Amino acid sequence: KQEVTQIPAALSVPEGENLVLNCSFTDSAIYNLQWFRQDPGKGLTSLLLIQSSQREQTSGRLNASLDKSSGRSTLYIAASQPGDSATYLCAVGAGNMLTFGGGTRLMVKP
Amino acid sequence: EADIYQTPRYLVIGTGKKITLECSQTMGHDKMYWYQQDPGMELHLIHYSYGVNSTEKGDLSSESTVSRIRTEHFPLTLESARPSHTSQYLCASSEGRTTDTQYFGPGTRLTVL
Repeated sequence: KQEVTQIPAALSVPEGENLVLNCSFTDSAIYNLQWFRQDPGKGLTSLLLIQSSQREQTSGRLNASLDKSSGRSTLYIAASQPGDSATYLCAVGAGNMLTFGGGTRLMVKP
Repeated sequence: EADIYQTPRYLVIGTGKKITLECSQTMGHDKMYWYQQDPGMELHLIHYSYGVNSTEKGDLSSESTVSRIRTEHFPLTLESARPSHTSQYLCASSEGRTTDTQYFGPGTRLTVL
């Protein structure tokens, strides 16, 4: 059974810092990996989708990498802003199913 | 911007009541999903559908039921709500290919007293 782990569980940084969120998964037989953002009490917003054949995806200040063989993905956020404060969820896709990690709660302080 | 809607957004109800959580999408997506998320915890898949008249149970056992009579509509029903059903319920849809992203609705926060 696929297990997804996110480290750290919580992170607090000053505005402007570059930061890295980590995601690891136990079964490398995946179709894709997605990073989502969730604001308190809200639904999920898809940030980046990396197909299993890809190594990374970029969108604005966000860059996500995927190393399928080692079961790891990272989300890099450049020049963090207070508006980036949210919970970031990693989800591994196999078939049409997503298995979610527990998330990293990010707080960016002005 | 994804067009997927959930109603109600918040619901507080007494034990034993029957409730239906609505989810609809206007993107013509074949696949739809229901996830359950307790506060500060992971999302767990409880139901999914590959299309009209198709419903399957997810990884997490749930006393709820779903139906898919129309492509755009995927309601979730609890016949007799209990306090253990208190949670956030998130609906999602995807186009149908295994490599597609899932689009999420805003969620319904259910509290059963």
